[in-house]
Amino acid sequence: EDQVTQSPEALRLQEGESSSLNCSYTVSGLRGLFWYRQDPGKGPEFLFTLYSAGEEKEKERLKATLTKKESFLHITAPKPEDSATYLCAVRSSSNTGKLIFGQGTTLQVKP
Amino acid sequence: DVKVTQSSRYLVKRTGEKVFLECVQDMDHENMFWYRQDPGLGLRLIYFSYDVKMKEKGDIPEGYSVSREKKERFSLILESASTNQTSMYLCASGNYEQYFGPGTRLTVT
Repeated sequence: EDQVTQSPEALRLQEGESSSLNCSYTVSGLRGLFWYRQDPGKGPEFLFTLYSAGEEKEKERLKATLTKKESFLHITAPKPEDSATYLCAVRSSSNTGKLIFGQGTTLQVKP
Repeated sequence: DVKVTQSSRYLVKRTGEKVFLECVQDMDHENMFWYRQDPGLGLRLIYFSYDVKMKEKGDIPEGYSVSREKKERFSLILESASTNQTSMYLCASGNYEQYFGPGTRLTVT
């Protein structure tokens, strides 16, 4: 069964304190891994797609990486406005029409 | 930029009422999706559609139906709303990545 697990559930950082969020997955055949950002009361905002192990994508203070079993979202020198819930999702070869979402990591960055 | 709009941000309905939630996308995507999101349960797929007049059940279709008469529009219908359908409803569209609308927070009293 396709599965996505995110850790930690919640993360508190001081402004400028870099860290990483983890997304572990088990799928029958990966057809894409997706990262989203969600602010309270809003819909998820698409950030990145990663297709194959070794691939990396960057956007401002965020960098996503992918291995054969997990993905990391690295946050460098975060600011309070980076506070949000970060969701990871995968598309597998057995469920090409759907995304399987993790439960998310809620990040709080204190000034 | 992809734009997905939903008909209401907040909605309050009474038990037993028929509820329509509408979603419109402007990117000519074949695929559209309806999710609900509840604390501790994450995003759960209700229904999706990969073409006009086509629909597929997601993980939690009970109590819901959908309609897709035009490519850009995907409607979620609660035939007889119940209190356990109080939730945040999110529409998404996309042929690979999914792009989400702002959400509708539905309260059924």
